[in-house]
Amino acid sequence: GEDVEQSLFLSVREGDSSVINCTYTDSSSTYLYWYKQEPGAGLQLLTYIFSNMDMKQDQRLTVLLNKKDKHLSLRIADTQTGDSAIYFCAEDSGYALNFGKGTSLLVTP
Amino acid sequence: GAGVSQSPSNKVTEKGKDVELRCDPISGHTALYWYRQSLGQGLEFLIYFQGNSAPDKSGLPSDRFSAERTGGSVSTLTIQRTQQEDSAVYLCASSLALGRNTEAFFGQGTRLTVV
Repeated sequence: GEDVEQSLFLSVREGDSSVINCTYTDSSSTYLYWYKQEPGAGLQLLTYIFSNMDMKQDQRLTVLLNKKDKHLSLRIADTQTGDSAIYFCAEDSGYALNFGKGTSLLVTP
Repeated sequence: GAGVSQSPSNKVTEKGKDVELRCDPISGHTALYWYRQSLGQGLEFLIYFQGNSAPDKSGLPSDRFSAERTGGSVSTLTIQRTQQEDSAVYLCASSLALGRNTEAFFGQGTRLTVV
């Protein structure tokens, strides 16, 4: 089957904004998700967006959805060193989530 | 418990041996999922349970893999005759119900190393 695509690495400086992009595959996905995985830990739901929305803002996080292009992005404002982690985009396939390979975000001082 | 619990957290086994990985979901969660996370491969979906039933086993990588769930709670993933390519982190998740927009909570995973 097709893969959910993400760039593998992103490096930003502390205080800058980070933008992580994702292209998903299932146009019938009702919800799209961003999960965060810190070193040695499981996945933690960061935020999600309903498919009839274009944008969702949650504190420092902004999610943008372009359904026509099946493109999802996560913007983290004022990125901190504690934001360093792997970020996974996921689409719902009805009974389970289909994840991308994850984007490793490195925040440098 | 407060979260999804997986055991063991780390397992080193010799090639050819069988291993059993355990997942304790959040109490009351009827849906349970197993994923495999290999280096550079993202999360590979293996199998899901609705209650004790696993309707679709096609995601399991080979017939050496099996999973069961009893009492609508604990699940075990068994790998027989382990191979080096089975080395990965095996993640379990649970959710209140099956279906869209039911948040899946993940355990910390079992890191399996086959030597």
